[in-house]
Amino acid sequence: AQRVTQPEKLLSVFKGAPVELKCNYSYSGSPELFWYVQYSRQRLQLLLRHISRESIKGFTADLNKGETSFHLKKPFAQEEDSAMYYCALRETSGSRLTFGEGTQLTVNP
Amino acid sequence: EAGVTQFPSHSVIEKGQTVTLRCDPISGHDNLYWYRRVMGKEIKFLLHFVKESKQDESGMPNNRFLAERTGGTYSTLKVQPAELEDSGVYFCASSLKLQGTAQGNTIYFGEGSWLTVV
Repeated sequence: AQRVTQPEKLLSVFKGAPVELKCNYSYSGSPELFWYVQYSRQRLQLLLRHISRESIKGFTADLNKGETSFHLKKPFAQEEDSAMYYCALRETSGSRLTFGEGTQLTVNP
Repeated sequence: EAGVTQFPSHSVIEKGQTVTLRCDPISGHDNLYWYRRVMGKEIKFLLHFVKESKQDESGMPNNRFLAERTGGTYSTLKVQPAELEDSGVYFCASSLKLQGTAQGNTIYFGEGSWLTVV
């Protein structure tokens, strides 16, 4: 069965510092990987997906199939990046998302 | 464009009572999903509708949970009778289609319905 692991429940950095939110997955096929973000009092929203290979709000994530990882990175964190971040996996043949437990990122001034 | 809307946003009920959660997906979205996050746990899949049909209900925890999507528009999730461990946030999500363009299969979430069973 597929599984998504986010080893850090809490992550705190200072404004302007680099940030990396870790995500590892286990799945036998070729999954789609996503990062979702939930800002305070807002709904869960898609941040980025690996197939798009895009940068959103300065965040990037590279799928490393060898290490089965999809870490989220940003070179210079901003206070408005403080939020809950969820890594998620979707099987290519199905539609359900499998989520990690989430990482609460706090960016301090 | 209106997003996925859920009602109620918060509900507090006693153990043994019944609660019905409603979800209105984005207009035109055939796919509707229910997820939930119980305290301290990850967001877990409950079930998936394609129009009015249940495509995958393997995540439903037990027969106290009943989901319907009559007419293929809005959906309801009923918990009867509610137990303490049912407390958590219930998310509804929708997407246009499964395959095809990345934009077409993006899953959009509602704000969630917070359920507290006391």
